Amino acid sequence: AQSVAQPEDQVNVAEGNPLTVKCTYSVSGNPYLFWYVQYPNRGLQFLLKYITGDNLVKGSYGFEAEFNKSQTSFHLKKPSALVSDSALYFCAVRDALRNKFYFGSGTKLNVKP
Amino acid sequence: SQTIHQWPATLVQPVGSPLSLECTVEGTSNPNLYWYRQAAGRGLQLLFYSVGIGQISSEVPQNLSASRPQDRQFILSSKKLLLSDSGFYLCAWSVLKRGDEQFFGPGTRLTVL
Repeated sequence: AQSVAQPEDQVNVAEGNPLTVKCTYSVSGNPYLFWYVQYPNRGLQFLLKYITGDNLVKGSYGFEAEFNKSQTSFHLKKPSALVSDSALYFCAVRDALRNKFYFGSGTKLNVKP
Repeated sequence: SQTIHQWPATLVQPVGSPLSLECTVEGTSNPNLYWYRQAAGRGLQLLFYSVGIGQISSEVPQNLSASRPQDRQFILSSKKLLLSDSGFYLCAWSVLKRGDEQFFGPGTRLTVL
């Protein structure tokens, strides 16, 4: 079965500092991994994805994610956090055979001025 | 470009009343369609998904039902709402290509009193 885990309910970081939001996955077959961001009372917005190729994936708003097969991780990163990055972040994996997506429990990112 | 609409944006309903939430997608054909519920601003619970007209898969036994009367229309319904049906309901779509992400609608905030 496919699953993702986000071990941190909340991450606090100061503006201008680098940020990391963690995600680990468990899949059978090739992993199709995604990161989404959600602002209050809004739908989820797609940030980036890993399908194949380079382990470092670049996405929207300066975010990037590093795919690590040996550690089964797909951590979201940004070199310099902005206050406006404060939001809820979800990691997800796609079960390609069943056309379903499995989401982590979400990590609330707080960026303080 | 593709867009996804949900309505209403907010809804307050008494316990025992019926429910109908609508989702429509524009700019694509034969999408996979999904209904999620999000409680307390955290994790997503997949309720239903559909790979075609009239084809509905239910993920969790509950008080809700879904229908897909047209290719790009997905409806979430209930005959009698429960307090526990309160939450943020999100519709999403994806295509069949394995590496493709989901796109989410703006959501409907349902409060059952």
